[in-house]
Amino acid sequence: SQQGEEDPQALSIQEGENATMNCSYKTSINNLQWYRQNSGRGLVHLILIRSNEREKHSGRLRVTLDTSKKSSSLLITASRAADTASYFCATAKRLGAQKLVFGQGTRLTINP
Amino acid sequence: DTEVTQTPKHLVMGMTNKKSLKCEQHMGHRAMYWYKQKAKKPPELMFVYSYEKLSINESVPSRFSPECPNSSLLNLHLHALQPEDSALYLCASSQLDILPSMNTEAFFGQGTRLTVV
Repeated sequence: SQQGEEDPQALSIQEGENATMNCSYKTSINNLQWYRQNSGRGLVHLILIRSNEREKHSGRLRVTLDTSKKSSSLLITASRAADTASYFCATAKRLGAQKLVFGQGTRLTINP
Repeated sequence: DTEVTQTPKHLVMGMTNKKSLKCEQHMGHRAMYWYKQKAKKPPELMFVYSYEKLSINESVPSRFSPECPNSSLLNLHLHALQPEDSALYLCASSQLDILPSMNTEAFFGQGTRLTVV
């Protein structure tokens, strides 16, 4: 079952602007991860935030996690045309191997 | 080497055919996964292998049969599929989350786009 809900479902902005995507989930988690997917091909891992962390940065990416609200946000600053892709959050519970459950995704379009 | 290699990239098969999807990684990951993704939908977990043993089967129909012959290889055997099984099939691998400090990001292959006719 898919527990992650993301909003917006689609986002279109101008190059150089910031893009914010939100993710909500329903059950307790070990960590939350964000992935990017270009044109229906493989997913690329962007960033992982553990349940005891509140904020994490990686280059132009900033992720926050609020476990009390069961929500996370991904901020991409100074967007570029190459950032055009679908972005998915994925929650992970520890079951030996982790079981990743993906949100519905946000389709981000960066207009030049 | 941080690649997960999937073959073939595209596959068209009839409903009476038997085919196999292959996945290979050389990162020493002991957890491997099969996901199915329909167009404009998120990936859905199908199977998880831990230490070459099937640990999770998400109630997948028996016409999909996974196999993990060794720690680097993962196969998905397909038989008597239906047109609604047409999708992108993604393989992934990750370290097993033994210690809280270990990264458990998953590395995905580029997928096999399967069309059942």
